[in-house]
Amino acid sequence: AQSVTQPDIHITVSEGASLELRCNYSYGATPYLFWYVQSPGQGLQLLLKYFSGDTLVQGIKGFEAEFKRSQSSFNLRKPSVHWSDAAEYFCAVVPASGGSYIPTFGRGTSLIVHP
Amino acid sequence: DAGVTQSPTHLIKTRGQQVTLRCSPKSGHDTVSWYQQALGQGPQFIFQYYEEEERQRGNFPDRFSGHQFPNYSSELNVNALLLGDSALYLCASSPGTRVYNEQFFGPGTRLTVL
Repeated sequence: AQSVTQPDIHITVSEGASLELRCNYSYGATPYLFWYVQSPGQGLQLLLKYFSGDTLVQGIKGFEAEFKRSQSSFNLRKPSVHWSDAAEYFCAVVPASGGSYIPTFGRGTSLIVHP
Repeated sequence: DAGVTQSPTHLIKTRGQQVTLRCSPKSGHDTVSWYQQALGQGPQFIFQYYEEEERQRGNFPDRFSGHQFPNYSSELNVNALLLGDSALYLCASSPGTRVYNEQFFGPGTRLTVL
């Protein structure tokens, strides 16, 4: 069964600093990969996704993620964090084969932004 | 466009009771998925409905059931509630069942079981 690990429960950064949120997955083949953001009291919003091709993926709100097959990782980055980026971030994987496209989410990383 | 809407926003039930949660998908979307998000955890996939049929199901007991109506709206029913069913229940809609179809999430229903 696939699994997703987000090793950082909380991350604190200063506004304007760069950000990297880690995501590692366990799966027999390359899955489809996603990053979502969840603000308090709201549902999840898709930031970006990777299916195939270029391993550096651009998303909304200035975020990007890089897929590294050798490390089974899909880390999310942003060069300069804004206070409005404070939220919960979830990495998710979906099997790319096998007929069952059930997503598995990580437990999330809470981003705290200091002024 | 109102996006995905869910009702009610909050609900308190006691153990053993039954609950029904409702979801209206985003306009133009015909596929609805339900997730359970326990406090401090990521969402867990419950099931997906398309053309009024359950298409995929996660690792949840039969106490969790659903329905999709001809207008694509959906209900999630949970019988014989347990304390462990306390969670945020999220509905997501998409224009089809393909993985590459982006899912849009509603704000969720917060269920508390006492």
